[in-house]
Amino acid sequence: AQTVTQSQPEMSVQEAETVTLSCTYDTSENNYYLFWYKQPPSRQMILVIRQEAYKQQNATENRFSVNFQKAAKSFSLKISDSQLGDTAMYFCAFMKQWGAGNMLTFGGGTRLMVKP
Amino acid sequence: DAGVTQSPTHLIKTRGQHVTLRCSPISGHKSVSWYQQVLGQGPQFIFQYYEKEERGRGNFPDRFSARQFPNYSSELNVNALLLGDSALYLCASSLDVTGYSPLHFGNGTRLTVT
Repeated sequence: AQTVTQSQPEMSVQEAETVTLSCTYDTSENNYYLFWYKQPPSRQMILVIRQEAYKQQNATENRFSVNFQKAAKSFSLKISDSQLGDTAMYFCAFMKQWGAGNMLTFGGGTRLMVKP
Repeated sequence: DAGVTQSPTHLIKTRGQHVTLRCSPISGHKSVSWYQQVLGQGPQFIFQYYEKEERGRGNFPDRFSARQFPNYSSELNVNALLLGDSALYLCASSLDVTGYSPLHFGNGTRLTVT
């Protein structure tokens, strides 16, 4: 079974600064996918960024980037130039494809507050 | 294009009752998944359906069941409700069930069991 751990329950950052959210996971799989989802108070889970385990290059989406360390089973999210709209819960998630289906295993989340 | 839509938005039920939650996927998406998110925790996988067949089931009791219809919409049913079933129930759709097809979530149904 896979497990995902987010060790920072809450974090805060000043607007325009950079913040890094941590995530570690445990799996015996070699091929898998990793995701960061954002959940604002509206409750909708929004995909921020994804990483394929077979790719060594770290994924980047505008102000969001990841540091993927496969051997260490670490997958951190860096948010640059933080904006007030980045305030939300952030969930790290693992996807293993098996058989004819797939599923996400989520971490417990990190609540991020961006301060003006 | 419309995103994933879930109904109802909120629901209050009494212990022992039955509840049905509904989900319409994004147009063209053939897979629907259900997740339970208890307050303060990350979502937990309940079911995945693809082409009307169950493709995965999480560690939930048999009181939980689901189905997918020919138009790819889905229902989640929970019988004999317990207080512990109070949670946000999220539906997600995807084109298929490969890792290349990311999950898109709806806004959820907030279920309160009293």
